[in-house]
Amino acid sequence: DAGITQSPRHKVTETGTPVTLRCHQTENHRYMYWYRQDPGHGLRLIHYSYGVKDTDKGEVSDGYSVSRSKTEDFLLTLESATSSQTSVYFCAISGPDRVLDTQYFGPGTRLTVL
Amino acid sequence: GNSVTQMEGPVTLSEEAFLTINCTYTATGYPSLFWYVQYPGEGLQLLLKATKADDKGSNKGFEATYRKETTSFHLEKGSVQVSDSAVYFCALLSSNTGKLIFGQGTTLQVKP
Repeated sequence: DAGITQSPRHKVTETGTPVTLRCHQTENHRYMYWYRQDPGHGLRLIHYSYGVKDTDKGEVSDGYSVSRSKTEDFLLTLESATSSQTSVYFCAISGPDRVLDTQYFGPGTRLTVL
Repeated sequence: GNSVTQMEGPVTLSEEAFLTINCTYTATGYPSLFWYVQYPGEGLQLLLKATKADDKGSNKGFEATYRKETTSFHLEKGSVQVSDSAVYFCALLSSNTGKLIFGQGTTLQVKP
């Protein structure tokens, strides 16, 4: 299994509060991704990173920001959480340095916004 | 644009039955195709992949063949087990954008 961990694994928060999810990899892969999983939608890309300090928006980026200050860590921040952001969030990595390599997924974070 | 369509679920089978989960895609360029599996409460695991036309991916008794002429990548298994109960996702990796596009997932339930 690819060395990917996500924290926290479960979180319950209230509308309007900031939330940060962390993805940590031990594979030294260049590319990292954040997805959300919702019933009937499969997985949808939120943001991705192609290197330290290099990030870009995905399909459903509104309300989310990301940061990558180290190769191994990719943070997803909800500046002001809303109920529509209740979802399961998955981090993925690919590489080591080709964007067209297979993506491997972390265990997920279940976020509930009340 | 790129898209993936999977058959609607849930699919309910008896143990040792034959499984087919249909997947068709629309893509420009030369995508790679994947099947991922998600067991209850877990993340997605790569099940198999194929990177070019006519390639067959296989793993754990599951198979899928990359058919460019029918733009399909159907998942098959000859004899399912209760432990195969999970959600199966078909996905394509666009050679143009580098983005992974998922189908909506198909739930498989295998009964003893």
